[in-house]
Amino acid sequence: GAVVSQHPSRVICKSGTSVKIECRSLDFQATTMFWYRQFPKQSLMLMATSNEGSKATYEQGVEKDKFLINHASLTLSTLTVTSAHPEDSSFYICSAGRGGYEQYFGPGTRLTVT
Amino acid sequence: GENVEQHPSTLSVQEGDSAVIKCTYSDSASNYFPWYKQELGKRPQLIIDIRSNVGEKKDQRIAVTLNKTAKHFSLHITETQPEDSAVYFCAATRPSNTDKLIFGTGTRLQVFP
Repeated sequence: GAVVSQHPSRVICKSGTSVKIECRSLDFQATTMFWYRQFPKQSLMLMATSNEGSKATYEQGVEKDKFLINHASLTLSTLTVTSAHPEDSSFYICSAGRGGYEQYFGPGTRLTVT
Repeated sequence: GENVEQHPSTLSVQEGDSAVIKCTYSDSASNYFPWYKQELGKRPQLIIDIRSNVGEKKDQRIAVTLNKTAKHFSLHITETQPEDSAVYFCAATRPSNTDKLIFGTGTRLQVFP
């Protein structure tokens, strides 16, 4: 149990366009979902925390107007990278919690902006 | 806020040897400390975790120790195998509405056959 999926697994987009990444908890209801960004050979950096039906809480230095997060249901959260630039190229990983300490990670989305 | 430091950044061992990775945290209110293994391009996988009311936890070849006074915790892998090669991350979290994890910088472990 506690399976989290992400879609797409890989995406290539042109500079200036927007990209949406979906994160779904497949067999449980996620009270909280988290979005991380991971650059090559670096750690996971938390971007934002979202709770169903409320606005996301962004970490310091993360532009909320650039990284739009929607948590419309207890099983789905989306991250939209707006006006993407090459420096936004990264590995984006979501995770979901169901009330306890443990977080369940999605498989990640490799974003390449050309 | 919480800050988690992790050492070493790289670790090379011979198959069969032990590997130890250490982390320190800054927030004395932190009470949950998971360890993750991440293979290249894959999601982090929880391999073991420990809560602040426990000093040590073991699962087969993997163990974690926690020293609350010193605010550090360590991952111990015994009888290492080549398939243990990966990047390992420690993390810490404090009780809050968000339960957000703060990750260490990672340790790249290489086990040579």
